[in-house]
Amino acid sequence: GAVVSQHPSRVICKSGTSVKIECRSLDFQATTMFWYRQFPKQSLMLMATSNEGSKATYEQGVEKDKFLINHASLTLSTLTVTSAHPEDSSFYICSAEGNGYTFGSGTRLTVV
Amino acid sequence: DAKTTQPPSMDCAEGRAANLPCNHSTISGNEYVYWYRQIHSQGPQYIIHGLKNNETNEMASLIITEDRKSSTLILPHATLRDTAVYYCIGAANDYKLSFGAGTTVTVRA
Repeated sequence: GAVVSQHPSRVICKSGTSVKIECRSLDFQATTMFWYRQFPKQSLMLMATSNEGSKATYEQGVEKDKFLINHASLTLSTLTVTSAHPEDSSFYICSAEGNGYTFGSGTRLTVV
Repeated sequence: DAKTTQPPSMDCAEGRAANLPCNHSTISGNEYVYWYRQIHSQGPQYIIHGLKNNETNEMASLIITEDRKSSTLILPHATLRDTAVYYCIGAANDYKLSFGAGTTVTVRA
């Protein structure tokens, strides 16, 4: 079946630094990938839609300059959290659209 | 996306069938009903989806009412590993999925 690999699974960074999260579709090509954020005891919130070869589409209230998305190939999308602050600490999850929607295993980001 | 309503939580006994309801009275004709589940600290896992007809796969069955205003996900023989948050989502094909609060299902021995 379709597999989406997300890396790293867990990261701790210092406040003010940037963190890159990778999302790869391993056995299919994904022209569209999605990035979600989930705070404790809450549901997943869609942040942005990533389209291969074009700019990402951000949901209302999501800062595009803070959450940089690059979808340079049909199998890789990256989310970079720039100038991270403690309030950016969250569980980030990607999803790839190929044969249906397949989700990565998530990245636990802790900003200290 | 169609707005969906699910009970916040439910318990079920191990080995018994678990019936999870979902209301989606505003669903559009081209919107599918998707079910995903999320086990703690993992990414959501696809379960099943359907448009009009009932569907069955190795994980579950999906029963959609004729007017498509509601559906039921059936886990035929719940196990402890089925404890998770279950999400019912209405979305058109090739469109983004928006998650609601879901139903927290606890399977008890």
